[in-house]
Amino acid sequence: EIVLTQSPDTLSLSPGDTATLSCRASQNVDRGYLAWYHHRPGQPPRLLISSVSRRASGIPDRVIGSGSGTHFTLTITRLEPEDFGTYYCQQYGPSPWTFGPGTKVEVK
Amino acid sequence: EVQLMESGGGLVVPGGSLGLSCTASGFNFRNYAMAWVRQAPGKGLEWVAAMMGVGDDIEYADSVRGRFTISRDNSRNTVSLQMNSLKSEDTAFYYCAKLPLVTLARGYFESWGQGTRVTVSP
Repeated sequence: EIVLTQSPDTLSLSPGDTATLSCRASQNVDRGYLAWYHHRPGQPPRLLISSVSRRASGIPDRVIGSGSGTHFTLTITRLEPEDFGTYYCQQYGPSPWTFGPGTKVEVK
Repeated sequence: EVQLMESGGGLVVPGGSLGLSCTASGFNFRNYAMAWVRQAPGKGLEWVAAMMGVGDDIEYADSVRGRFTISRDNSRNTVSLQMNSLKSEDTAFYYCAKLPLVTLARGYFESWGQGTRVTVSP
């Protein structure tokens, strides 16, 4: 099983700031099968990125996924109020598909 | 517009059984694999089970294999999760999710339902 770790646990930022979130895998994530989700309380998670860097429908270009192998990064520039919440990375290579523990982006 | 609506959550005693259902609309249901993902209180997301659109390819998380069964009825646009031998650690919010392909080759979740709460307690 591929174990994902995310850092930091919490990011305290202000609207307009840039958020940089890290996701590390315990082994190589084959073919870049890495996704990112945004989850706000009371709402279902929302897919942001698949295949490391491919934005999902309706996701703005200030949301940027990058990385390879075992280290991946999600960057969100010009934070807006709706960007706050918890972000999860997920690998979908070999089953079991696994999520990281999440990074909470909160208002400073 | 893709819509997924879960139902069937509730309170059940340890060792009991519960069935969840998800009704889909807004897309050609049989052309997409479907999955269940859960979130325990105060915890992160955990993938539970997935089933391809047409055919028998099914995958389970180790934590539920042998206790949970995923199934689908393409004529009714529904995917179900039968949960048996429930444990307190199965307490969670359960989400139905749509995968991007008919097969399980791309196991990410491009659309989610609103979820349904399952509580396992004496």
